[in-house]
Amino acid sequence: EVQLVESGGDLIKPGRSLRLSCSTYGFTFGDYGMNWLRQAPGKGLEWVGFIRSQEYGGTIEYAASVKGRFTISRDDSENTAYLQMNSLKTEDTATYYCARSKSGGGFSPLDNWGQGTLVTVSS
Amino acid sequence: DIQMTQSPSSLSASVGDRVTITCRASQDIRNSLSWFQQKPGKAPKSLIYAASIMHSGVPSRFSGSGSGTDFTLTIFSLQPEDFATYYCQQYNNYPPTFGQGTKVEIK
Repeated sequence: EVQLVESGGDLIKPGRSLRLSCSTYGFTFGDYGMNWLRQAPGKGLEWVGFIRSQEYGGTIEYAASVKGRFTISRDDSENTAYLQMNSLKTEDTATYYCARSKSGGGFSPLDNWGQGTLVTVSS
Repeated sequence: DIQMTQSPSSLSASVGDRVTITCRASQDIRNSLSWFQQKPGKAPKSLIYAASIMHSGVPSRFSGSGSGTDFTLTIFSLQPEDFATYYCQQYNNYPPTFGQGTKVEIK
């Protein structure tokens, strides 16, 4: 069974940094692209970024709202994707989800989602 | 960025009703369209991709159609567990963008 489990969410002050993890189980992690998405309280879904599989160069795409502040990475030996968030702003407050793409490259639909982890940015 | 517009924003329906949600893209996205279901306090669940292909395990009462700029999600014979918010998403261009959601409530 495919499982994605996010962790690392916390209450954190503006300007600080936080790293989220997405641990995966039940599939060959290295074959798939991985996405991060978020949902502010009471709001809709926002795509944050995507990392391709190594077969597709492991390249990364970011939403304009986080580019330069957030960094996505992956460790295929640990079956885990990461979201490093720097210079956090109050508007980054959201539940953060990781989701698997159906392929390793880009322009691919999402299939499986994690349960989410809450990040609250507040002084 | 491609804008995705869903209608209606919310609707009330009864168990057994047929429900139709539409999603319009601001430019041609071919068939690169997904639908997701989200219940309160839960993660989204993937229902449909490539506009009309159901993910594994999705009940056959869900159906998607469309291409280009206009898409439809139909739920035939609404069941109690279908009351949720539904989102469309395009993945034809970066960044992938979502509709604002359609909340399906019990009449």
